[in-house]
Amino acid sequence: QKEVEQNSGPLSVPEGAIASLNCTYSDRGSQSFFWYRQYSGKSPELIMFIYSNGDKEDGRFTAQLNKASQYVSLLIRDSQPSDSATYLCAVGYQKVTFGTGTKLQVIP
Amino acid sequence: ETGVTQTPRHLVMGMTNKKSLKCEQHLGHNAMYWYKQSAKKPLELMFVYSLEERVENNSVPSRFSPECPNSSHLFLHLHTLQPEDSALYLCASSQDSGRGSTDTQYFGPGTRLTVL
Repeated sequence: QKEVEQNSGPLSVPEGAIASLNCTYSDRGSQSFFWYRQYSGKSPELIMFIYSNGDKEDGRFTAQLNKASQYVSLLIRDSQPSDSATYLCAVGYQKVTFGTGTKLQVIP
Repeated sequence: ETGVTQTPRHLVMGMTNKKSLKCEQHLGHNAMYWYKQSAKKPLELMFVYSLEERVENNSVPSRFSPECPNSSHLFLHLHTLQPEDSALYLCASSQDSGRGSTDTQYFGPGTRLTVL
């Protein structure tokens, strides 16, 4: 089993819709959870991090963490074409482990 | 633009060459990392330095040799690489608050390495 799993996509959503990106992890002791956005040919940039169960909102982005079910999700409201990128989930316990990423395509 | 810079941005080298990648962080962080990113694979952690001491080496081949002269600079020395070493090499930094590598990491732009 992969330590951090993400559906590779592509996930296609129309402009203005809500994009929902999911991530599951295997280590129950994980403490820190990160979402990075990576445009093609560029390095990852941090969007959000979350440490506690529940929701954390920042502008159009909401991270949701459910430690009992071992999943973390990222919701993007009012999706824009500029949101088209690969979204990496990263989970930290003794080290930070990255998933392979989900490619998001926002269709104008 | 991030507070982590990397040079060169692109590098093409033969298998017998020796080259070095450079990373510099301007964020006042005390931990720095080298990652390898290959197509269709997750980011692979290569080396971690915290307070200028190497704390993790994930069984990276000896043809990769890191150097961390101070908390702001990190190098990756390359020699006798193989074509499968072609990848994007990313540097990152964080402030190690005692929780180790669970702290937020900020990435540089990366070096795109091609080994012929």
